[in-house]
Amino acid sequence: NAGVTQTPKFQVLKTGQSMTLQCAQDMNHNSMYWYRQDPGMGLRLIYYSASEGTTDKGEVPNGYNVSRLNKREFSLRLESAAPSQTSVYFCAGAGGFYQPQHFGDGTRLSIL
Amino acid sequence: ILNVEQSPQSLHVQEGDSTNFTCSFPSSNFYALHWYRWETAKSPEALFVMTLNGDEKKKGRISATLNTKEGYSYLYIKGSQPEDSATYLCAFMNNAGNMLTFGGGTRLMVKP
Repeated sequence: NAGVTQTPKFQVLKTGQSMTLQCAQDMNHNSMYWYRQDPGMGLRLIYYSASEGTTDKGEVPNGYNVSRLNKREFSLRLESAAPSQTSVYFCAGAGGFYQPQHFGDGTRLSIL
Repeated sequence: ILNVEQSPQSLHVQEGDSTNFTCSFPSSNFYALHWYRWETAKSPEALFVMTLNGDEKKKGRISATLNTKEGYSYLYIKGSQPEDSATYLCAFMNNAGNMLTFGGGTRLMVKP
């Protein structure tokens, strides 16, 4: 079972470039999430999707957009990358509010 | 922004020692408290989801307790092993939404 799959695993961008991080899950999760992880900051929620067709802002949404394409896929887009967006990005999915979240392996993004 | 704090930030123990760490969260509007184990170069893995005051959960040598009235949860590891070395994250969900707020984590290092 693949679980939650993120692509790419690594990416280097120049300031101002755009990029979409992909996330797909085969666990029939209703909810999906995008987090960023920075040293000393823990995991911070960027956006989430409680169900197919809905998206909501998390703690740090500025500079990002998301699309819940279908139940399986939830993408994160950086329209104009900035050095402050250098981070490790994790996608996660969950069956419901009481259910644990299952994380992908992460995307390490560097913006020069 | 909800305040979720974990202590200590890091902990070094000898193999065989038992240890515990704390997660503090808001005592109002409680919905759920999650614990995750995060090994270096991997993604977080769920340990427990706790929902009721007085809840106790156990998985092997790891157990957790929950006090929603005073806003804390303890994670215990009995007879620590080197493979227990990881960062342990707690995450709080209130009844206002569908988001987890993560603490900064406790990094455990077990020396053989």
